[in-house]
Amino acid sequence: QKEVEQNSGPLSVPEGAIASLNCTYSDRGSQSFFWYRQYSGKSPELIMSIYSNGDKEDGRFTAQLNKASQYVSLLIRDSQPSDSATYLCAVTDNNDMRFGAGTRLTVKP
Amino acid sequence: KAGVTQTPRYLIKTRGQQVTLSCSPISGHRSVSWYQQTPGQGLQFLFEYFSETQRNKGNFPGRFSGRQFSNSRSEMNVSTLELGDSALYLCASSLALNRYTDTQYFGPGTRLTVL
Repeated sequence: QKEVEQNSGPLSVPEGAIASLNCTYSDRGSQSFFWYRQYSGKSPELIMSIYSNGDKEDGRFTAQLNKASQYVSLLIRDSQPSDSATYLCAVTDNNDMRFGAGTRLTVKP
Repeated sequence: KAGVTQTPRYLIKTRGQQVTLSCSPISGHRSVSWYQQTPGQGLQFLFEYFSETQRNKGNFPGRFSGRQFSNSRSEMNVSTLELGDSALYLCASSLALNRYTDTQYFGPGTRLTVL
């Protein structure tokens, strides 16, 4: 069974802090990795995609991928209350996209 | 460019009925995938259509089916509805240029309630 695991949270951080979200996956054949943000009652929206080992930065967001450890993470710097949402990790191989259960993040003012 | 659209946004049905949901992908996107999202199970993959053909299928019973038209619009159908089918049904489209870097963009979803 190909699995994507995330801590369900809730993860609570103060405004301005760094939020660290983690994801592990079981299928070594996975090729592409995505982070989606989902606000309550809304559909997922893409934040970042990462395909090779290392870090990828986009504004306040940094995705980190370590294929040897089968680990992908998302760092949110200078967290804002508007970042409060559920963050979904998604992993694809050549067949389908699989999602983790999501981590609920709360940023407290 | 317009995003993925789904209709209807909300639907209430009773057990035993059937339902058809519609999805219009982003212009130029050729792949449409369907997902079921529930609080207990999270996002679960239903199926993917590409060029009017089902390319991949998740682990759902045969009551769940779909199709894609030549303009890439897609419909999914659920027959003999059960209470457990109450969920948010999400459609996602992608360009389908590269299987490994393909990015899916989600529609707003259809909230189905089965009474």
